[in-house]
Amino acid sequence: RKEVEQDPGPFNVPEGATVAFNCTYSNSASQSFFWYRQDCRKEPKLLMSVYSSGNEDGRFTAQLNRASQYISLLIRDSKLSDSATYLCVVNRGAGNQFYFGTGTSLTVIP
Amino acid sequence: GAGVSQTPSNKVTEKGKYVELRCDPISGHTALYWYRQSLGQGPEFLIYFQGTGAADDSGLPNDRFFAVRPEGSVSTLKIQRTERGDSAVYLCASSLGGAREQFFGPGTRLTVL
Repeated sequence: RKEVEQDPGPFNVPEGATVAFNCTYSNSASQSFFWYRQDCRKEPKLLMSVYSSGNEDGRFTAQLNRASQYISLLIRDSKLSDSATYLCVVNRGAGNQFYFGTGTSLTVIP
Repeated sequence: GAGVSQTPSNKVTEKGKYVELRCDPISGHTALYWYRQSLGQGPEFLIYFQGTGAADDSGLPNDRFFAVRPEGSVSTLKIQRTERGDSAVYLCASSLGGAREQFFGPGTRLTVL
């Protein structure tokens, strides 16, 4: 079983829509969780860390459900510039490797 | 300040040749990671350095792949006897260690003909 699983999409949504992505992880010992954004032919960049209590950064909200071992990303009021691939990333703690999902592709349509 | 840099940005080689890919991390970052990314996939972990030592090399696919970081800064990923299946984007990332944010370089696109 893969360490991290994501629905690859693609998600095609109109501008202004709300879209949500989920990601599941297999190892209950996982301690740190992140969403990275990757534009076409570019390197991944951190979008936000995911905290146990959930956290929000502008139009983006991330949540963690440890019992069900999934994390989510909600994007409100989608912009054309949000079009990218969103990567779910999990780490088991200091000294351990990061595990990346395959990414979820989002295209925001005018 | 300067981000993570990788050279070359593109490398085309023939099957069976040897290649070296270089990563220059952000100054002061003790942790350095190498990943390989194929089209439509997320980055696949290869190796992780904490300082000069390889803390985890479990992602290296076979003994044709080797990486070094002799002075705890610049790292080189070495691939011997390249195969067509090695074609991918090789990404390097650095961080302050632990599970803190990784900063990625632009990658080296390797094509093995």
